Amino acid sequence: DAGVIQSPRHEVTEMGQEVTLRCKPISGHDYLFWYRQTMMRGLELLIYFNNNVPIDDSGMPEDRFSAKMPNASFSTLKIQPSEPRDSAVYFCASSFGGGSNQPQHFGDGTRLSIL
Amino acid sequence: GENVEQHPSTLSVQEGDSAVIKCTYSDSASNYFPWYKQELGKRPQLIIDIRSNVGEKKDQRIAVTLNKTAKHFSLHITETQPEDSAVYFCAASPHTPWGSQGNLIFGKGTKLSVKP
Repeated sequence: DAGVIQSPRHEVTEMGQEVTLRCKPISGHDYLFWYRQTMMRGLELLIYFNNNVPIDDSGMPEDRFSAKMPNASFSTLKIQPSEPRDSAVYFCASSFGGGSNQPQHFGDGTRLSIL
Repeated sequence: GENVEQHPSTLSVQEGDSAVIKCTYSDSASNYFPWYKQELGKRPQLIIDIRSNVGEKKDQRIAVTLNKTAKHFSLHITETQPEDSAVYFCAASPHTPWGSQGNLIFGKGTKLSVKP
């Protein structure tokens, strides 16, 4: 089992640039979650999908953030334009069937730095 | 919505001692409570979970207890070892209006340090 795969592992870019984070969930998992982790705010849920459909995006901070899941094996989180306060570690997680009653498996995260 | 409070924020123990981390939640409809361990620079990893129809669960040196009436749950680590040093997160699954309980609300984390 390859686990949840995220790319890139690290991203450094200047403010105003577009940033795209990628996630491949565990095969067969039907829930996919995007989290942001900072020292100040801890682990925050941004958005989650069930069967490729966004279920709750209330955690997305503002219109600069968007997420898509075009198929069961791929999701993107995009920030456009990026700002220094977006600097954080972004985690993708996936789970199977029922979400909350099954463990969420996390990827290794993308450490994003906006200069 | 659901709110999860976690205490303490930092905990330092001597190797071999026990460590206890406590969490409270607000949504009485929550029914799944996992605990994650996150080592520095790494991803959160599930170490144990408990569902609302169970009061206690053990896995070797780790145990979790749940009190639904009081809406709190705790992580107990016995015979701590230096490799237990990490940040531990509790979480709860809130009720959602869509009838599907997919997400987790995390506590702010407890940094556990085990001194040799």
